[in-house]
Amino acid sequence: GESVGLHLPTLSVQEGDNSIINCAYSNSASDYFIWYKQESGKGPQFIIDIRSNMDKRQGQRVTVLLNKTVKHLSLQIAATQPGDSAVYFCAETGYSTLTFGKGTMLLVSP
Amino acid sequence: ETGVTQSPTHLIKTRGQQVTLRCSSQSGHNTVSWYQQALGQGPQFIFQYYREEENGRGNFPPRFSGLQFPNYSSELNVNALELDDSALYLCATEVTGARTGELFFGEGSRLTVL
Repeated sequence: GESVGLHLPTLSVQEGDNSIINCAYSNSASDYFIWYKQESGKGPQFIIDIRSNMDKRQGQRVTVLLNKTVKHLSLQIAATQPGDSAVYFCAETGYSTLTFGKGTMLLVSP
Repeated sequence: ETGVTQSPTHLIKTRGQQVTLRCSSQSGHNTVSWYQQALGQGPQFIFQYYREEENGRGNFPPRFSGLQFPNYSSELNVNALELDDSALYLCATEVTGARTGELFFGEGSRLTVL
């Protein structure tokens, strides 16, 4: 069936480094691809999305890249901070419902 | 703050019992979805309600049911609880007509089935 998955379950970085979290997807018909951040004990929090007709979108300290040729999505976080420590999920959607991947835990050391 | 409130935050049930989880959202968020998140996994879509009617359902059995009320609140009911129903249950809403992936999640209700 259709699925969204991640390459790396855990990513450890030093404070100030740039982080890159990767994700593979298989549903080419999705309209949007989204990144969510989930801190311990909390619900997922929207970070950034990208529409399927785009290949790059930037937000505050974050950039999402979409490569439809290889069905790959990445989240880049610039100058990673301890507060960025969380589990990051990629997700895809066709209409309101989201299909989530398994998540990558980002650990930021001071 | 997402404006989405869930209750209870934690609860423990035994196998075979029934549970009702509640969610309240804000004005303008007419679509509500429920997700199940097992430990160490991503959230899995259960179903969605729009204007008090079910508007889509994931791969969950009929013992998972829901309701949406005119005051932007909703319920998730699970009958005949099984051990595998132990999970974090998340309610998510979206701005009506947004049609993007931006959902507003509550902090969840953690259900433990013994």
